[in-house]
Amino acid sequence: GENVEQHPSTLSVQEGDSAVIKCTYSDSASNYFPWYKQELGKRPQLIIDIRSNVGEKKDQRIAVTLNKTAKHFSLHITETQPEDSAVYFCAAARGSSNTGKLIFGQGTTLQVKP
Amino acid sequence: DSGVTQTPKHLITATGQRVTLRCSPRSGDLSVYWYQQSLDQGLQFLIQYYNGEERAKGNILERFSAQQFPDLHSELNLSSLELGDSALYFCASSARDRGLNEQFFGPGTRLTVL
Repeated sequence: GENVEQHPSTLSVQEGDSAVIKCTYSDSASNYFPWYKQELGKRPQLIIDIRSNVGEKKDQRIAVTLNKTAKHFSLHITETQPEDSAVYFCAAARGSSNTGKLIFGQGTTLQVKP
Repeated sequence: DSGVTQTPKHLITATGQRVTLRCSPRSGDLSVYWYQQSLDQGLQFLIQYYNGEERAKGNILERFSAQQFPDLHSELNLSSLELGDSALYFCASSARDRGLNEQFFGPGTRLTVL
């Protein structure tokens, strides 16, 4: 079935360090992989996404890499700041099917210590 | 602000009752997705509508139903409520029905069943 595994479940880093969150998906037909940031009590907000025709995408301090062969993708945050503290969710979707439903990972709570 | 609106923000009710959650998608978006977020289950896909038609179903209980109206707003109906239905319910919208399309989340409705 469709499943997305996300690790670690919690991550604590010092301000300025890098943070890496990894996800593995089971559905080989998945080809759209968004990352969402959710602050306490708020909506998930899309921070970056990647499609299967590229291996890496970068937006300022955030980057995502995708390995389709191994069926895993990762979020990299460099020069972390306290405001990066939140829960991060990875997700996967099939672009070729008639639904864009997202299958989410379990979430990673990132704490950036000042 | 994602442009997706949800009402009400909070809902407190008793077991056995029925409630209706409302979602208005971003202007121009035809797809509406409903997700449930509980503490132990993360973000779970419930159901998707596209231009008034049901497009996909996830782990949605038989006690739950949804519809999308001609003006594209959607309602999620939850009946015979149980304590375990307490959760945050998010709707999200996207322009099309398929993957590869960004989904934008509303602020959520927090349901508490007492």
